[in-house]
Amino acid sequence: AQSVTQLGSHVSVSEGALVLLRCNYSSSVPPYLFWYVQYPNQGLQLLLKYTSAATLVKGINGFEAEFKKSETSFHLTKPSAHMRDAAEYFCAVSESSGNTPLVFGKGTRLSVIA
Amino acid sequence: NAGVMQNPRHLVRRRGQEARLRCSPMKGHSHVYWYRQLPEEGLKFMVYLQKENIIDESGMPKERFSAEFPKEGPSILRIQQVVRGDSAAYFCASSPRTSNTEAFFGQGTRLTVV
Repeated sequence: AQSVTQLGSHVSVSEGALVLLRCNYSSSVPPYLFWYVQYPNQGLQLLLKYTSAATLVKGINGFEAEFKKSETSFHLTKPSAHMRDAAEYFCAVSESSGNTPLVFGKGTRLSVIA
Repeated sequence: NAGVMQNPRHLVRRRGQEARLRCSPMKGHSHVYWYRQLPEEGLKFMVYLQKENIIDESGMPKERFSAEFPKEGPSILRIQQVVRGDSAAYFCASSPRTSNTEAFFGQGTRLTVV
């Protein structure tokens, strides 16, 4: 069975500071990994995904994540936080066979302080 | 190309009533996934459908919940005899083929049971 653990249900950073949102996964098969962002009362928007190509994945809005197999991690980072980054962020995993549903973490709420 | 359309966006039902949630996938997409998001939780997979077929319903409660994706028209998630615990946001995602790496999410239906 697959699972995702997001460390920290709430992260607060100052505007312009580094954003680091942690995600660790568990999977018995090679995983696909995803980060989604959810703005208030909105659906999920895909930020980036890892599908067994480059381990450093660049996404939208300046975010990137690095797949580290040895650490079973897929942490999300952004060098400089902006007020508009305030949202809920979800990490998700699926099997790389393609048609398995996504397993989501509980989410991390990011607050950005002016 | 319109995105995944879910309606209604908000639905209020009294205990014991039926709730019908609709999901129109993106044009050209024939695969639909339904997820439920409880307060302070991540999304939990409910059911995966292709046109006229239920592929995986391992996440569906055994009673009161059903889903369909007819040859014509939207996918429907039906909840009979709703209870307060059914209050949640229900999200639909669609993909063009058997690959959740290309799944796009709708904005969700927020169900409130009073």
